[in-house]
Amino acid sequence: EAGVVQSPRYKIIEKKQPVAFWCNPISGHNTLYWYLQNLGQGPELLIRYENEEAVDDSQLPKDRFSAERLKGVDSTLKIQPAELGDSAVYLCASSWASGRNEQFFGPGTRLTVL
Amino acid sequence: SQQGEEDPQALSIQEGENATMNCSYKTSINNLQWYRQNSGRGLVHLILIRSNEREKHSGRLRVTLDTSKKSSSLLITASRAADTASYFCATVAPYGNKLVFGAGTILRVKS
Repeated sequence: EAGVVQSPRYKIIEKKQPVAFWCNPISGHNTLYWYLQNLGQGPELLIRYENEEAVDDSQLPKDRFSAERLKGVDSTLKIQPAELGDSAVYLCASSWASGRNEQFFGPGTRLTVL
Repeated sequence: SQQGEEDPQALSIQEGENATMNCSYKTSINNLQWYRQNSGRGLVHLILIRSNEREKHSGRLRVTLDTSKKSSSLLITASRAADTASYFCATVAPYGNKLVFGAGTILRVKS
């Protein structure tokens, strides 16, 4: 079974530039999550999708961050414009249903904003 | 905000020794999960223990849960160099649908 796929794995950009991350969840997983992980910390939820609906985006900084999950499968997370403080690892995860169960994580995208 | 706090922050042991990591949390839970993260495989689910369970085993892993003390422990027996990683506990609230992670314990197993 293929795992959660994310791309790119690494991204270096200058501040004020836009950036986008892509995630393909495990086939059949209805629930998709985007997390932010700062160095030395655990992941923090940015947004959770049930199929194509964003059911929890309370932690997403909506002034510069946006996300979409077209057709309830792949998802894209965008930052525009990026700031120095956005440097972190962005993780995508998926699960069979809701958020109570085991989640499967992708390898993450390490973003560096210069 | 992070619900759980792992203790210790870092742990260094010799191969073959046991490693114990603790997690304390603040509010009631539906379940508590442990994850491992290393550079090679990313974040991987290890074990889930529900609020009505007290102990679970999976291979060399043993997890305990004490809801009265709002704490959990993860024991890795006969550690191997490959167990070197960060270990995170994550909790799910009784009516919630999301994981809230702690800051993690860094485990180093020396061969």
